Amino acid sequence: SAVISQKPSRDICQRGTSLTIQCQVDSQVTMMFWYRQQPGQSLTLIATANQGSEATYESGFVIDKFPISRPNLTFSTLTVSNMSPEDSSIYLCSVHGTSGSYEQYFGPGTRLTVT
Amino acid sequence: GENVEQHPSTLSVQEGDSAVIKCTYSDSASNYFPWYKQELGKRPQLIIDIRSNVGEKKDQRIAVTLNKTAKHFSLHITETQPEDSAVYFCAASQYGNKLVFGAGTILRVKS
Repeated sequence: SAVISQKPSRDICQRGTSLTIQCQVDSQVTMMFWYRQQPGQSLTLIATANQGSEATYESGFVIDKFPISRPNLTFSTLTVSNMSPEDSSIYLCSVHGTSGSYEQYFGPGTRLTVT
Repeated sequence: GENVEQHPSTLSVQEGDSAVIKCTYSDSASNYFPWYKQELGKRPQLIIDIRSNVGEKKDQRIAVTLNKTAKHFSLHITETQPEDSAVYFCAASQYGNKLVFGAGTILRVKS
């Protein structure tokens, strides 16, 4: 499976500021997925990022709040904008294991606390 | 859109007993059903999955069954061990694209 890294691993931010989370994969992948896991909750898909096109956002998530970049086939960023305490969550990126496979593997996550 | 329900929310078993977690899905177009194990402070790990053209899949002590007609699938863990204690999530997707997760099951294995 792909090796996925995320930066930062954790951060504490003040409300009203923005944080950009990076996701790096050791192989080229078509789709990268960004999920949010609120404390004690399940995982919810924020958006799907394809290289060279706009990200596709799920219901309840908007580009102004969660802008995503996908400059190449191994890298993506998710920005959490104008943060509030409700944005305190773990943010995870995921990718398919190999081209054409169904399996998804997750990065280690970024634990965000907004004060 | 797809909706996945997962039961029970918590499950306590004695070491050596079996554990069963059940999920139902709503979208008949879903054809891929993975299970993830998440230990405290760690990322979700894929432990087993099943596609809609298969009714059952087994990997050592874990197995997954799928009933397409009833739109439900289950995770079975036999001979549970303390290291099986974790949160387990089921999910459903079409062709492995966006995953829709169940709410999770906290499994506690008592030794």
